[in-house]
Amino acid sequence: GQQLNQSPQSMFIQEGEDVSMNCTSSSIFNTWLWYKQDPGEGPVLLIALYKAGELTSNGRLTAQFGITRKDSFLNISASIPSDVGIYFCAGQKSSGAGSYQLTFGKGTKLSVIP
Amino acid sequence: DTAVSQTPKYLVTQMGNDKSIKCEQNLGHDTMYWYKQDSKKFLKIMFSYNNKELIINETVPNRFSPKSPDKAHLNLHINSLELGDSAVYFCASSQHTGELFFGEGSRLTVL
Repeated sequence: GQQLNQSPQSMFIQEGEDVSMNCTSSSIFNTWLWYKQDPGEGPVLLIALYKAGELTSNGRLTAQFGITRKDSFLNISASIPSDVGIYFCAGQKSSGAGSYQLTFGKGTKLSVIP
Repeated sequence: DTAVSQTPKYLVTQMGNDKSIKCEQNLGHDTMYWYKQDSKKFLKIMFSYNNKELIINETVPNRFSPKSPDKAHLNLHINSLELGDSAVYFCASSQHTGELFFGEGSRLTVL
């Protein structure tokens, strides 16, 4: 099946630092999405990107849809302790009939040291 | 109000048993999904239903049988549970976009 390469696998940073993570794929996707998962919870959507080259911000988060449609990155500025969690990228192709199959990256586990 | 709710949150059972996980969404979405998250946190789609019709059925043992009585509900029944079935199972829903809303997960432990 399709695979997304997400890196880094884990990060330890000091509070206040900026964070960057990315995903690459051998396949083209129509949409890139970034999710965050807190312990014991389900993934929550952070940012959705729909056009190649699109750059979108959500507070301290910024994500971009790569121009080749095969990659995306997520930046977090001025990290705070509540940014701790696992961040997942996901690429999406429509499966038709209103169903959207997401392929997830393996996640980036972020730890923030106060 | 919880948008996508799953029950039970935790399930511990013996090998060979049959168990079910229920999911309900109150978002009015047409499409619902089941995902499996393994111990390494990898999320993999299992099934997708659109308006009660099965759309995606990934390579999943036929011991797993989804049922969608209406578009707000998607249940997962698992027969003859095996040790490798231990995982967190997530229900999700979406409408017209790839933006999925996930439930809190159901942690299944098979002993």
